[in-house]
Amino acid sequence: DAGVIQSPRHEVTEMGQEVTLRCKPISGHNSLFWYRQTMMRGLELLIYFNNNVPIDDSGMPEDRFSAKMPNASFSTLKIQPSEPRDSAVYFCASPGPITDTQYFGPGTRLTVL
Amino acid sequence: GQQVMQIPQYQHVQEGEDFTTYCNSSTTLSNIQWYKQRPGGHPVFLIQLVKSGEVKKQKRLTFQFGEAKKNSSLHITATQTTDVGTYFCAGPSPGSQGNLIFGKGTKLSVKP
Repeated sequence: DAGVIQSPRHEVTEMGQEVTLRCKPISGHNSLFWYRQTMMRGLELLIYFNNNVPIDDSGMPEDRFSAKMPNASFSTLKIQPSEPRDSAVYFCASPGPITDTQYFGPGTRLTVL
Repeated sequence: GQQVMQIPQYQHVQEGEDFTTYCNSSTTLSNIQWYKQRPGGHPVFLIQLVKSGEVKKQKRLTFQFGEAKKNSSLHITATQTTDVGTYFCAGPSPGSQGNLIFGKGTKLSVKP
């Protein structure tokens, strides 16, 4: 198993552009978590899915952020339009082999100029 | 809502010194987990504690879960440069399937 796969690993874009981050979770799990990490705010949960359905999106900062999980093997996090304050590392995570634990992907480092 | 707090935020030690980070939850936890994030990396699961008063060891790392299941600690004996990184504790969010509440983390730096 390749673990959680995220793409791109690095993204540099200009303010106002649309950004799409992608995640392929570990197969066989029906939950997925999106996090954002910054120096100031630490690790924040943005949204999580269970059975491909968004369960809690209270962490999504604003309407510019949206996430989808069209099937059990793929999820996207979209920012439109992007702003410099969105610069952060975005992680997605799958449930781990032990109840309640999580496997994190390598992350996407987003820089919005 | 539930909060998980960690102290200290930063710790600088000389190689060979011991290191301890503390985690406190505002509510009783069914379990507590510890993760390590190396610089430029992603959080990696280290261990889960479930029982009140539980103590687990991984080589030089000792993990404890408090009797009231609201606090935990991670102790590293004789730190090495490979221990550098940020250590997070996390507890399950009540009523949420698989959702975790993470502490802010303790960033450890080790001077050779």
